Amino acid sequence: NAGVMQNPRHLVRRRGQEARLRCSPMKGHSHVYWYRQLPEEGLKFMVYLQKENIIDESGMPKERFSAEFPKEGPSILRIQQVVRGDSAAYFCASSPTSAGTDTQYFGPGTRLTVL
Amino acid sequence: AQSVAQPEDQVNVAEGNPLTVKCTYSVSGNPYLFWYVQYPNRGLQFLLKYITGDNLVKGSYGFEAEFNKSQTSFHLKKPSALVSDSALYFCAVRDEGYGGSQGNLIFGKGTKLSVKP
Repeated sequence: NAGVMQNPRHLVRRRGQEARLRCSPMKGHSHVYWYRQLPEEGLKFMVYLQKENIIDESGMPKERFSAEFPKEGPSILRIQQVVRGDSAAYFCASSPTSAGTDTQYFGPGTRLTVL
Repeated sequence: AQSVAQPEDQVNVAEGNPLTVKCTYSVSGNPYLFWYVQYPNRGLQFLLKYITGDNLVKGSYGFEAEFNKSQTSFHLKKPSALVSDSALYFCAVRDEGYGGSQGNLIFGKGTKLSVKP
């Protein structure tokens, strides 16, 4: 049973370019969460999505960041016009339902470096 | 506001000795508590969780954690540490009573565990 998959694992962008991060949840999971980990810090929640719906985007910057989880295909976190401060590890997690008792299972992350 | 504190940035233990990684939390309702481990350049691996019931929770790789409601703590423990346990450990909480989305986890800053031979 494949776990949560993320690609690319490493992404290098120059300032001003766009970054697209992809996440495929575990089989049978329809709830996806994106977190960002800055160096020497814990994970910070960004956005929570179900298929075709954004449930909670309270942790996502209002400018330049967007997320989607289409009916078919992976969830996408998109960062437009990247800046050096966007350099971080971005993790995706999935769970089968929205129940608070559910465990979130994490992918290996995408490490974004902005030059 | 919900929060998690891991008061120690680093814990050093000799192999074979017991280990404890501390975690305290603050929520408005009943907490759902989780421990994850992160190895270098890897994602987070789930270790164990407390939802309700027995205060002592057993998880993967011989780890266990004790929920203490009066002290609002959820410390991670292992009776005998291994060198391979060296990693970054994260405590996280979800608030059952939180009025907003119940989706996201609130993480502590992490504790680096170093087990020496």
